[in-house]
Amino acid sequence: KNEVEQSPQNLTAQEGEFITINCSYSVGISALHWLQQHPGGGIVSLFMLSSGKKKHGRLIATINIQEKHSSLHITASHPRDSAVYICAVRLETSGSRLTFGEGTQLTVNP
Amino acid sequence: ETGVTQSPTHLIKTRGQQVTLRCSSQSGHNTVSWYQQALGQGPQFIFQYYREEENGRGNFPPRFSGLQFPNYSSELNVNALELDDSALYLCASSLPGTGLVRQYFGPGTRLTVT
Repeated sequence: KNEVEQSPQNLTAQEGEFITINCSYSVGISALHWLQQHPGGGIVSLFMLSSGKKKHGRLIATINIQEKHSSLHITASHPRDSAVYICAVRLETSGSRLTFGEGTQLTVNP
Repeated sequence: ETGVTQSPTHLIKTRGQQVTLRCSSQSGHNTVSWYQQALGQGPQFIFQYYREEENGRGNFPPRFSGLQFPNYSSELNVNALELDDSALYLCASSLPGTGLVRQYFGPGTRLTVT
């Protein structure tokens, strides 16, 4: 079993829909990251969280430390949001290295 | 644009050959991590360098080795290439520390082993 599990693996939405991607982890962490990866490979950091909730534009990330769960929400989705969204954690025992989930492929159709 | 560059962008090698991938860190970042991302999977941690010393290693064999230079640029070397080494190789630079330390990713090098 992976230490970081994401769901769903694939998600197709219509433009304007509200989208939620979930991430669960099974170990103690010092931080959780949400990352976006476009075709071609480049990865962009969207959020870093250790507690609570963060918002940037149409993106919202939440984390529940007790339940070991985080969600990434996209409001008013747009075709340009189509990408792979990856949850990654910094384990308490592993210094600064990241452990990644498998990613969620999001496709937003016009 | 993260300020982290990688070269080459793409590379095709034959099984058994050796390859060197390069990463130039964001200015001031003295920590670099290397990751391997197979198609359709999340990245896997290879190793990390801090101030020219290896500072943690994932579950990769010794034929994966690295270097970090005084200017904090780094290399990933892979010897005796195998078909399963075909992947996107990502480097990420950061300042040292734990907790909320952001990693800045390069665009990756796509390696194909035939």
